[in-house]
Amino acid sequence: GEDVEQSLFLSVREGDSSVINCTYTDSSSTYLYWYKQEPGAGLQLLTYIFSNMDMKQDQRLTVLLNKKDKHLSLRIADTQTGDSAIYFCAESITAGTALIFGKGTTLSVSS
Amino acid sequence: EAGVAQSPRYKIIEKRQSVAFWCNPISGHATLYWYQQILGQGPKLLIQFQNNGVVDDSQLPKDRFSAERLKGVDSTLKIQPAKLEDSAVYLCASRAVGQAFFGQGTRLTVV
Repeated sequence: GEDVEQSLFLSVREGDSSVINCTYTDSSSTYLYWYKQEPGAGLQLLTYIFSNMDMKQDQRLTVLLNKKDKHLSLRIADTQTGDSAIYFCAESITAGTALIFGKGTTLSVSS
Repeated sequence: EAGVAQSPRYKIIEKRQSVAFWCNPISGHATLYWYQQILGQGPKLLIQFQNNGVVDDSQLPKDRFSAERLKGVDSTLKIQPAKLEDSAVYLCASRAVGQAFFGQGTRLTVV
């Protein structure tokens, strides 16, 4: 079956690094995603990674994928108050199948 | 590149009334999704289109929900009659291979 799990809440201080974790159960998943949702807004695609990659870096964002443990993480360096939002992990088996989402992790950044 | 457009942004209706949502995907994206996001949860797939054909509608409550994608471009999602539990944000997304982009969503309140 397909199920994506995330911790519900993370609190960090401005300037620290944030690490948001996700586990998924479908080993066939080819694409793994991180989305950001601010209050009252839609989902913003932050980054995605192919299953044949271990790591992807994009400016302050680093995605790590451990296929053996079916574990995905998103690291945000130098976290800012503007990073406060809900972060969703999602998986997709192929480019033609739907995305399956976790329940989201609320990131709270204090100054 | 223009994003996924949705309208209306907000809608309040009484139970047993009908409502329709509209989505215009990113130009050239063959895959279109409708998701339902209940407050505090992750988005859940309602229906997936590939061009103007339905790929997956297994989670669509077909007794009251319907969707169409005429000419493989714009799509509409209809609820008739609405129930209180249909209160949610309805998100449309379109996809080109790996990247899936979401619209701002329509927030539906059923009273």
